[in-house]
Amino acid sequence: GENVEQHPSTLSVQEGDSAVIKCTYSDSASNYFPWYKQELGKGPQLIIDIRSNVGEKKDQRIAVTLNKTAKHFSLHITETQPEDSAVYFCAAGGGFAGGTSYGKLTFGQGTILTVHP
Amino acid sequence: DVKVTQSSRYLVKRTGEKVFLECVQDMDHENMFWYRQDPGLGLRLIYFSYDVKMKEKGDIPEGYSVSREKKERFSLILESASTNQTSMYLCASSFSRFGEQFFGPGTRLTVL
Repeated sequence: GENVEQHPSTLSVQEGDSAVIKCTYSDSASNYFPWYKQELGKGPQLIIDIRSNVGEKKDQRIAVTLNKTAKHFSLHITETQPEDSAVYFCAAGGGFAGGTSYGKLTFGQGTILTVHP
Repeated sequence: DVKVTQSSRYLVKRTGEKVFLECVQDMDHENMFWYRQDPGLGLRLIYFSYDVKMKEKGDIPEGYSVSREKKERFSLILESASTNQTSMYLCASSFSRFGEQFFGPGTRLTVL
């Protein structure tokens, strides 16, 4: 099955700095890579996703890059703000209709991001 | 506004008890998921369902079962709770197989 490794487990930055979180995956059939943000006391919420036919996607201060050859993808947050402090999860999913893995997402271990004012 | 609700925020049960965790979504989503969240392990998929009365095993189904009698409701059942099932349980739903999953706030279950 799919295995997703996420690094670092904790990340501390100053307000205004950039933050980068990296993930690697093992299953070459994976073709969907979302990122979720979990604030304290809440469930995770999707912040951005990328599919395998795209190498990079950007949404305001957030960007995700994907390298299918190397099987890794990254989340980049620029101009960080204290409200960006949260736990971030990457995930990978894919497979084909009728396959046993179709519809399943495998999540990384999570990164606790702290942005200091 | 999209909403996934879980029956309890906190639950304390004793070893050997049968435990029901309920999840309801109001978005008419086909797909529903149960995860458990443990520090350092991320979210791990227990079961998911892509249609009423249908279920698929996730990565850690042992010790759990599920029920989906109605489209909006997906229940997670611990037949005989054990201390190693102490965890945060998250329910999610999605419209498409690989689209945004909407999560509930979670149920923190403690098994004594």
